[in-house]
Amino acid sequence: DSGVTQTPKHLITATGQRVTLRCSPRSGDLSVYWYQQSLDQGLQFLIQYYNGEERAKGNILERFSAQQFPDLHSELNLSSLELGDSALYFCASSLGLAEFTGELFFGEGSRLTVL
Amino acid sequence: KNQVEQSPQSLIILEGKNCTLQCNYTVSPFSNLRWYKQDTGRGPVSLTIMTFSENTKSNGRYTATLDADTKQSSLHITASQLSDSASYICVVSGKAGSYQLTFGKGTKLSVIP
Repeated sequence: DSGVTQTPKHLITATGQRVTLRCSPRSGDLSVYWYQQSLDQGLQFLIQYYNGEERAKGNILERFSAQQFPDLHSELNLSSLELGDSALYFCASSLGLAEFTGELFFGEGSRLTVL
Repeated sequence: KNQVEQSPQSLIILEGKNCTLQCNYTVSPFSNLRWYKQDTGRGPVSLTIMTFSENTKSNGRYTATLDADTKQSSLHITASQLSDSASYICVVSGKAGSYQLTFGKGTKLSVIP
């Protein structure tokens, strides 16, 4: 158990809908990262937050948005869903900035299926 | 553009055999390199983290090597077990504007009895 909690574990919805994925980082971790993994693809970086502030953006679509709250949990909002958005969405957390020397801990992911 | 290339894409080995997975990167300047194990449908789990000054690091039956001059790393798995069946992902931290993590696409390892 990495200590990173993601909910829901599974989500099935229809095209055009909006969903919210939630991530609770490990206790004390200030950084939260979101990744998308489509079937048999590598992890694609979406967005990073550090202590409530957006720090870096990757290949995140305009239909997607995220935020990190004062209690450090994070939410990833996906709207106007398309079939191609079906994927595993991972949240990861780090005490500081993982891109330096920090260990990065991943949650178990939220599997989104868009029908 | 920072890139991380892993080979082979997939590998099948017999239980008990050894194998070596490769990672080549173009990330520069380089901060550290990590190997993760990802079971199907699960979150990646860290195996090793190496800075540019480290040449080798072990974690049980997993040994990672790093040659920062040639920008190559390898992950050696000794006496493979069925539970080693997973994807192994190489992740390099370096600077492209700001520091960021660059992920390889992974090597899918299948260990068969």
